Amino acid sequence: KQEVTQIPAALSVPEGENLVLNCSFTDSAIYNLQWFRQDPGKGLTSLLLIQSSQREQTSGRLNASLDKSSGRSTLYIAASQPGDSATYLCAAPSGAGSYQLTFGKGTKLSVIP
Amino acid sequence: DTAVSQTPKYLVTQMGNDKSIKCEQNLGHDTMYWYKQDSKKFLKIMFSYNNKELIINETVPNRFSPKSPDKAHLNLHINSLELGDSAVYFCASSQLGTAGTDTQYFGPGTRLTVL
Repeated sequence: KQEVTQIPAALSVPEGENLVLNCSFTDSAIYNLQWFRQDPGKGLTSLLLIQSSQREQTSGRLNASLDKSSGRSTLYIAASQPGDSATYLCAAPSGAGSYQLTFGKGTKLSVIP
Repeated sequence: DTAVSQTPKYLVTQMGNDKSIKCEQNLGHDTMYWYKQDSKKFLKIMFSYNNKELIINETVPNRFSPKSPDKAHLNLHINSLELGDSAVYFCASSQLGTAGTDTQYFGPGTRLTVL
């Protein structure tokens, strides 16, 4: 059974700082891994999807990496801005061949102006 | 032109009632999902459904049932509501590719409060 853990649970940084959010998963037989953003009272917005054959995926100031062998993924945010403040969720397929997602509990990011 | 929409946005009801939440996607996706986000913000899959199979998470009570009138809709029916059902329910959809699922797109959520 897939388990996804995100560290830290909360993070507060000054504007302009680069930061890394961590995600680990127990079942590495996955097709892909996804990072989402959730703003308070809102739904989830997909940020990046990394296929199992990829090691990195980039979108603007965001870069996500995937290391299946170690069961880890990181989300790197460059030059953070107050608008980046949100909860970031990592999600991996629930098991081999599954397309259901298991989510971590998220990292709540606060970027201080 | 919202991609995944849910109605209602808020639902307040008494214990024991039966209620439904509707979900529609206009992305042409073949797979839809329902998730529950509890008071601690933990998001958990309840169902996934495409035209071939319904997969139910084993922790979901049988008071919950998804119903799909067509490929673009997956509604959630809840019978005999309990206090513990209070949560935010999210619908999502994706295209099921040969290499697994593509990106999941989420609706805005329905906040259910059971009194």
